[in-house]
Amino acid sequence: ETGVTQTPRHLVMGMTNKKSLKCEQHLGHNAMYWYKQSAKKPLELMFVYSLEERVENNSVPSRFSPECPNSSHLFLHLHTLQPEDSALYLCASRPGTGLDDEQFFGPGTRLTVL
Amino acid sequence: GQQLNQSPQSMFIQEGEDVSMNCTSSSIFNTWLWYKQDPGEGPVLLIALYKAGELTSNGRLTAQFGITRKDSFLNISASIPSDVGIYFCAGQKDRDDKIIFGKGTRLHILP
Repeated sequence: ETGVTQTPRHLVMGMTNKKSLKCEQHLGHNAMYWYKQSAKKPLELMFVYSLEERVENNSVPSRFSPECPNSSHLFLHLHTLQPEDSALYLCASRPGTGLDDEQFFGPGTRLTVL
Repeated sequence: GQQLNQSPQSMFIQEGEDVSMNCTSSSIFNTWLWYKQDPGEGPVLLIALYKAGELTSNGRLTAQFGITRKDSFLNISASIPSDVGIYFCAGQKDRDDKIIFGKGTRLHILP
């Protein structure tokens, strides 16, 4: 238990559906991240939020839309996804972005797009 | 772009054996991290290293921050079945830089 929770843990959706992934941390961390982890591929950083502002968007398709309403919550809104978007989506948080700010991951949401 | 080369890609060992894996880079990193990921779960931080030459232990795990700041290794002594999983190295170059992850070493333990 790292203090970072993600819901749902599993999600199956059709290509025309709209769904949202939720991440929550009450660790007092100021930086939050979305990663995509596909089978046999390295972790791909998608979005970075620092103090509730998006500071990085790694060329992610617009069908993924992040939202950070406050420092404790991070959402990833999904719409018109493709089967190749099926993956484990991991949220992470850190106290800040300094060299000694350790990063903690949530358990992930396993997404399957049919 | 920045890259961490992690090796080996996978390992098959007998229970009780010691394990060694490493991570190298062509550029300097000022923080090195080692994570373990169990199937269907998120990576869990095992050891964090902040100083060149630093050697840090966490139970049967020992990690070192290379003196050149371009490499790090992780050793696991007397492996047990629950050590099975994927081990990731990660590094951060400077303050406010993103953390870069290696591709992982998948550890299998033979009965």
